[in-house]
Amino acid sequence: QKEVEQNSGPLSVPEGAIASLNCTYSDRGSQSFFWYRQYSGKSPELIMFIYSNGDKEDGRFTAQLNKASQYVSLLIRDSQPSDSATYLCAALTNAGKSTFGDGTTLTVKP
Amino acid sequence: EAGVAQSPRYKIIEKRQSVAFWCNPISGHATLYWYQQILGQGPKLLIQFQNNGVVDDSQLPKDRFSAERLKGVDSTLKIQPAKLEDSAVYLCASSDDVKNIQYFGAGTRLSVL
Repeated sequence: QKEVEQNSGPLSVPEGAIASLNCTYSDRGSQSFFWYRQYSGKSPELIMFIYSNGDKEDGRFTAQLNKASQYVSLLIRDSQPSDSATYLCAALTNAGKSTFGDGTTLTVKP
Repeated sequence: EAGVAQSPRYKIIEKRQSVAFWCNPISGHATLYWYQQILGQGPKLLIQFQNNGVVDDSQLPKDRFSAERLKGVDSTLKIQPAKLEDSAVYLCASSDDVKNIQYFGAGTRLSVL
């Protein structure tokens, strides 16, 4: 079992819809969670981070964390074709160990 | 503020040859990471430094890979000898010790023939 699991997709949504990306983690010592976006041939870039249970909103993006269920999600509202990319979920333990999932590929169709 | 610098951007070598990658992190970032990313997969942590000490190298194939960060700033990752399965993008990232947000360099795309 991978330490951080994501649905590989591809996930396809129409322009303007809500895209929902999910991530589960196995290490209960994980305390910080990050969502990165990676365009094809490019490096990952940070979208959002979340440390506390609940929701965190930043513009069109909302991250949700449920530590009891070991579940992290990212919602993208009003999806745009420019949001088409691979989304990587990463977990960081208290010991500072960093683990990435394999990513979910999102396609937003005009 | 300058980002994470990596070189070279691309490298093509034959199997059994050696190769080295260089990374200069964002100024002031104590933590430096080297990742291997194979096409279609997420970044796999090879080694993590805190200043010039190793925090985690559990997934580093130590029989062929080595890394150093002698002065706690820039770092080199070496592969010797390379195998076909080492073909991947090698990403360097750095983070501060406050928010632990990782910032990535452009990566080095390695092809082993």
